[in-house]
Amino acid sequence: EIVMTQSPATLSVSPGEGATLSCRASQSITTNLAWYQQKPGQPPRLLIYGASARAAGFPARFSGTGSGTEFTLTISSLQSEDFALYYCQQYSNWPLTFGGGTKVEIK
Amino acid sequence: EVQLLESGGGLEQPGGSLRLSCAASGFTFSNYAMTWVRQAPGKGLEWVSTISVTGNRIYYADSVKGRFTISRDNSKDTLYLEMDNLRADDTAIYYCAQEAVPGLFEYFQHWGQGSLVTVSS
Repeated sequence: EIVMTQSPATLSVSPGEGATLSCRASQSITTNLAWYQQKPGQPPRLLIYGASARAAGFPARFSGTGSGTEFTLTISSLQSEDFALYYCQQYSNWPLTFGGGTKVEIK
Repeated sequence: EVQLLESGGGLEQPGGSLRLSCAASGFTFSNYAMTWVRQAPGKGLEWVSTISVTGNRIYYADSVKGRFTISRDNSKDTLYLEMDNLRADDTAIYYCAQEAVPGLFEYFQHWGQGSLVTVSS
């Protein structure tokens, strides 16, 4: 099983500042990585796929990079609606696995 | 507009059974693999099971293998999850999710609102 490790668990950021979230895979997954955003009481929402392709409805301030085992989600200038939980997910191998999540909270 | 509507959750005793349904609309259901993902209260996401478009390929997490059965009825645009021998650690919100790319097993474009399953005596 590929273990996905996200860091930090919580990120405290002031509105307007940038945020960098990390996701590490226990073995290479090339670019078979997705990111999801989840707000309280809502299902997850696809944010990034293929490690760097942005899903419909998300602005350009969200960007994903990485390949192999190291991945990054960057939010360039946090808006109020961006404070949420973020999960990475690998789809390289079965079982599909998610990271433990990073909570981006208001500082 | 894609809609996924889960139903069938509720309170069940340990060792009991429940059947979840996910009614799909707004897309050609028979073209997409479908998946169940769960989330225990206050916890992260856990993939549970995926079924191919025809149902000939099925995958389960080790935590549910032998106890849960995924199935689909393409004539009814509905996905199912039969859960037997339930345990307390099966307590979670169960989401059904549509694969993003027709026929492939990758990431999830659309999610339902979820159905809460509580296993407790």
